[in-house]
Amino acid sequence: DSGVTQTPKHLITATGQRVTLRCSPRSGDLSVYWYQQSLDQGLQFLIQYYNGEERAKGNILERFSAQQFPDLHSELNLSSLELGDSALYFCASSGRDRPTTNEKLFFGSGTQLSVL
Amino acid sequence: DAKTTQPTSMDCAEGRAANLPCNHSTISGNEYVYWYRQIHSQGPQYIIHGLKNNETNEMASLIITEDRKSSTLILPHATLRDTAVYYCIVRGPNAGKSTFGDGTTLTVKP
Repeated sequence: DSGVTQTPKHLITATGQRVTLRCSPRSGDLSVYWYQQSLDQGLQFLIQYYNGEERAKGNILERFSAQQFPDLHSELNLSSLELGDSALYFCASSGRDRPTTNEKLFFGSGTQLSVL
Repeated sequence: DAKTTQPTSMDCAEGRAANLPCNHSTISGNEYVYWYRQIHSQGPQYIIHGLKNNETNEMASLIITEDRKSSTLILPHATLRDTAVYYCIVRGPNAGKSTFGDGTTLTVKP
């Protein structure tokens, strides 16, 4: 158990819809990262938050957005969903101190999103 | 962050050592080598990391060449439960932007 909690585990929705994925980081971790893993693209970094502020952006679509709340949990919002958004979405946490230290990432068990 | 190159797949006999290579010829001086593994579709699991010295923990050993252009992850006594995709990544100060490549699918056989 990594200590990172993601909900829901599975999500089935239709094209055009909007969903919210939730992540609770390990106790004490200030950084949260979101990754997307689809069958043909491997693990793609989407976005990182540190203590409520956006720190780094990867290949995140404009239809996707995220935020980190004062209690440090994070939500990833996916809107106008397309078939190609079907993937595993992972959250990871790290960074009990500064956001740019070389610390290992602890991953949650992921949310499987299926867009039909 | 530097790019890494790993073999697509490897087999290993149960109980034997599994040696997984990784090339990272464009690594910079402040970049660490990290290894993670992903069992089936679970979340990736941290294994080990190092800068330039060899490292060992309860899971594995990491051997980094002197020029730091390549490394090898060693699982000393592979078990069936070590069957997974192993990712070698090189990471600078910003942890999250690290790119996970395609990794090496290790299959441990009885």
